[in-house]
Formats: sequence, structure tokens, C-alpha cells
Amino acid sequence: DTAVSQTPKYLVTQMGNDKSIKCEQNLGHDTMYWYKQDSKKFLKIMFSYNNKELIINETVPNRFSPKSPDKAHLNLHINSLELGDSAVYFCASSQAPLNTDTQYFGPGTRLTVL
Amino acid sequence: AQSVAQPEDQVNVAEGNPLTVKCTYSVSGNPYLFWYVQYPNRGLQFLLKYITGDNLVKGSYGFEAEFNKSQTSFHLKKPSALVSDSALYFCAVRADSSYKLIFGSGTRLLVRP
Repeated sequence: DTAVSQTPKYLVTQMGNDKSIKCEQNLGHDTMYWYKQDSKKFLKIMFSYNNKELIINETVPNRFSPKSPDKAHLNLHINSLELGDSAVYFCASSQAPLNTDTQYFGPGTRLTVL
Repeated sequence: AQSVAQPEDQVNVAEGNPLTVKCTYSVSGNPYLFWYVQYPNRGLQFLLKYITGDNLVKGSYGFEAEFNKSQTSFHLKKPSALVSDSALYFCAVRADSSYKLIFGSGTRLLVRP
């Protein structure tokens, strides 16, 4: 199936740990994104890469570091996890970073920090 | 700065009745507007978008949206609601000059049988 996939789907961890979330798209898109959805369902862009180049870097703590090994993958590494990092993290992709391009979302990773 | 407002946290409608989910936006320059739907424990699914041209845009699952430039609105509509339409709906906007897609706060649609 052509899609945006994320692993893991659920992640439960202790405060202070370091964790990674992986994202892969097989849509042939050039641009990928990470979003955070908080407990009130509010969605906010965190990062975006176009052809492995960072083009959006919102004001997130530097404990969050995206890495794009190639156009089809965008991983999110989080250091020293805090309670407030608990959220659902969505990966998305689009053909290009154009204003008119549709973004397609993965199923999400629910991160719970205890 | 661009922004999107979805003034209703929840919309309740009976099955078979028409539904409207409201969205207003604020951008500098031309707006590019999107609607997404999120079912419980799922990712966002694209419904439709307005880029240019006809103000009435038709999308997936029988949904449509009307772009109104003077009122800066992009309301989502469906002539006859189904119980399976119950979900969380997000409006989003991108401006000419920005890569960023800005989402509204979401509106929960509840269609009762």
C-alpha cells in the first residue's frame, strides 16, 4: 500500500529517557513534516524537510532533533523526555513544499511520558 | 501572520440533515485552504482544498466547501449527514509566502441516528 507509515504506534517511557520515532513514505514525495497534537487535539507543525534539507524549524526545545537520511524517511529523536512531551506525533508528506500541495498524514505515534 | 478559526467546538446534527462546519481564516495574500478529517485513533485524512477558481470545491465522501473571500470563510458542508461522518474536522490554511500549514482547533461533528 502506498502510504505514510510511522513506528512505533504507541510509546510509553519514563521521564529523562531518549526515544526515537520513525517515519517512512512511499509516495515519492520530496517533503516531509512532523506535527505534534496535544491533549486538546491542537495540531502544530514542528519541522519540515525538503529533499533532506530543513525548511521549517519551529520554536521547539532543542531536545527534539529531526533527521532525514533520505527523501523517504524522516525520524524524530527526543532527548531527556519530559511529562509535557506526552502527545500524538504525526508525520506527513507532500509532493513539494508548495502552498498548494496536499499533505498526507501517517497514523500517528502516541507518546506517553511517565 | 496567518491564522484559522473554527468557532464551534462541536456540531450536532441528525442523520439525513444537512451539515455545516464553519471555518474563517486570516492571511496576507492569497489563501490556500484545506479540510481534513480525523477519526478516533487515526491520522488525518484529506477531504478537499481550495487553491483558485470555482468557489465551490467538491471533495471526498460527498463533502464540499465554499470559499468566500469577502467573509474570509471556507465552510465545510454536506447535503445529507451520515452517522459515519462523526469525527473531528480540521480546517487549515497556507499563505502565499509560507511553507507552513496552520490548523484550526478542530470541530467535533456528532451525527445522531
